[in-house]
Amino acid sequence: GPKVLQIPSHQIIDMGQMVTLNCDPVSNHLYFYWYKQILGQQMEFLVNFYNGKVMEKSKLFKDQFSVERPDGSYFTLKIQPTALEDSAVYFCASSLGLASAETLYFGSGTRLTVL
Amino acid sequence: AQSVTQPDARVTVSEGASLQLRCKYSYSGTPYLFWYVQYQRQGLQLLLKYYSGDPVVQGVNGFEAEFSKSDSSFHLRKASVHWSDSAVYFCAARGQGGSAKLIFGEGTKLTVSS
Repeated sequence: GPKVLQIPSHQIIDMGQMVTLNCDPVSNHLYFYWYKQILGQQMEFLVNFYNGKVMEKSKLFKDQFSVERPDGSYFTLKIQPTALEDSAVYFCASSLGLASAETLYFGSGTRLTVL
Repeated sequence: AQSVTQPDARVTVSEGASLQLRCKYSYSGTPYLFWYVQYQRQGLQLLLKYYSGDPVVQGVNGFEAEFSKSDSSFHLRKASVHWSDSAVYFCAARGQGGSAKLIFGEGTKLTVSS
């Protein structure tokens, strides 16, 4: 089936540094999402993105977070500066449409460790 | 507040036995409901989804789920599990208003023993 690729699978950085998480969504999909999962907790919605703009974001999407998809390439999540509480697994997803019944296709996640 | 709850963090069943993984939701109105599975080191894969009609929906690999409005539940079932079904299973819900937000349960880690 359709695949979403996330690169890298694991990233370790020092607190205060910038990090960019990359996502290669399904090729004809138009809507893109990031979710965050802290170890042992639920996966939580961060943001969704369409046509170059953030459509909806949660309280977890702090001012230090930003997303973009320049020129139809990777869909990225940038955190600048990082904090200890940003340590989590970040899942990217994409979908063809935005209808509530639409299927989201997820990547395997990037485990971010902030030291 | 909208929520999805999976009361069982871990479930262990023997190969060939039947399986039920529980999911309860709390939503105003009836949400769209999903079950995803995550095999080790892979992304989440959709097993099945419900949005209307027959409350029993069939999914891939012999899985099915039953929607119950009275019980606010969407339990996942399989008649006979295989060792390859060992994975983490997530129940999720999305409101009918077109919101992008998919709300997940905590996940249930299934171990199938031989």
